Amino acid sequence: DGGITQSPKYLFRKEGQNVTLSCEQNLNHDAMYWYRQDPGQGLRLIYYSQIVNDFQKGDIAEGYSVSREKKESFPLTVTSAQKNPTAFYLCASSIQGKGEKLFFGSGTQLSVL
Amino acid sequence: GESVGLHLPTLSVQEGDNSIINCAYSNSASDYFIWYKQESGKGPQFIIDIRSNMDKRQGQRVTVLLNKTVKHLSLQIAATQPGDSAVYFCAENSSGSRLTFGEGTQLTVNP
Repeated sequence: DGGITQSPKYLFRKEGQNVTLSCEQNLNHDAMYWYRQDPGQGLRLIYYSQIVNDFQKGDIAEGYSVSREKKESFPLTVTSAQKNPTAFYLCASSIQGKGEKLFFGSGTQLSVL
Repeated sequence: GESVGLHLPTLSVQEGDNSIINCAYSNSASDYFIWYKQESGKGPQFIIDIRSNMDKRQGQRVTVLLNKTVKHLSLQIAATQPGDSAVYFCAENSSGSRLTFGEGTQLTVNP
């Protein structure tokens, strides 16, 4: 099946620790995105990438980092600089990254120990 | 900045009734709009989309209406079922490279 796979489903972070969330897609989409969702809230854009080896900051990039070394993969690192990391993280992809329909993964719930 | 917002944060309907979920947008230059359904603990699922050159688009049990004069978007769900209970998000293409999402409406269907 074609789609977007996020892992793990649940992740726990200790104080001062960096953690990396995985996102893989086999849809052959050029663009990939990371969103953060807090309880009862909408989606806020962290980072996005329209092409391999290039990415742009979204609205809440501080405390996060990404890489796009392969078209299929767009991992997100939540660094120790992110003081309030507990949230539901959603990865998405789109064909060209021109504001068209997004295809979402199933999400990763990150919690702080 | 530009934003997409919703009139009501929650909506409760009886099974079998029709549901209408509303969304206001502020960027008159937006030319593409989309609705997503998100069940608890899952990623958003595409429901239906519409371009600004259209006023109405129908899918299976769903209809999206676009009123560009008052910058209003609505999602109508016919014969609402318990499985329709979820949070519904609208989004607009306001910047050309990304979608801007609204806060969401929690739809609860009572049996």
